[in-house]
Amino acid sequence: EPEVTQTPSHQVTQMGQEVILRCVPISNHLYFYWYRQILGQKVEFLVSFYNNEISEKSEIFDDQFSVERPDGSNFTLKIRSTKLEDSAMYFCASKPSGAGAGELFFGEGSRLTVL
Amino acid sequence: GENVEQHPSTLSVQEGDSAVIKCTYSDSASNYFPWYKQELGKGPQLIIDIRSNVGEKKDQRIAVTLNKTAKHFSLHITETQPEDSAVYFCAASIRRDDKIIFGKGTRLHILP
Repeated sequence: EPEVTQTPSHQVTQMGQEVILRCVPISNHLYFYWYRQILGQKVEFLVSFYNNEISEKSEIFDDQFSVERPDGSNFTLKIRSTKLEDSAMYFCASKPSGAGAGELFFGEGSRLTVL
Repeated sequence: GENVEQHPSTLSVQEGDSAVIKCTYSDSASNYFPWYKQELGKGPQLIIDIRSNVGEKKDQRIAVTLNKTAKHFSLHITETQPEDSAVYFCAASIRRDDKIIFGKGTRLHILP
């Protein structure tokens, strides 16, 4: 069964360092998302991406964050200068066109620890 | 924007009994309500969803009800089993291509 894959599964970084989280969405999907989940809290929307551009972003997704689809398969989230409060699990999700509102397929997440 | 409230935050149920998780949403324009199950160390997975033109939907031991007037929706799990232990999230979505907004989650423990 096709699945969303994310790398790395866990990354530890020093505050102020740049981090890139990578995602390979399901191949025929057209809508891509990043969510984050701080330990023990709810899953929060960061950004949605369609047709090679951001379609919506939340207040969390400030200038330190960026997304890119550099080729036909990868979808990346970059945090330019990490802060302690960026420590969280980051989930990538994708959705096919025509699947209906809201049915997102999530990856297993990338845990980011900022020291 | 949309806000989804979820209760309870933790629920312990004897194996074989039923579990009910309740959610409310704020935006009357929301028209799609998925439920996700998150097992330890994994990403959320869709278990059932309901659209605003339907009041109830059932899939084996899982059912979801929607009251559009009151802006409530609920998840019902009957004959609970140990593998039902997980965190369950309700969510709401307004448009086809829009983000989904999650509730805070319910940690469900199935007691032997």
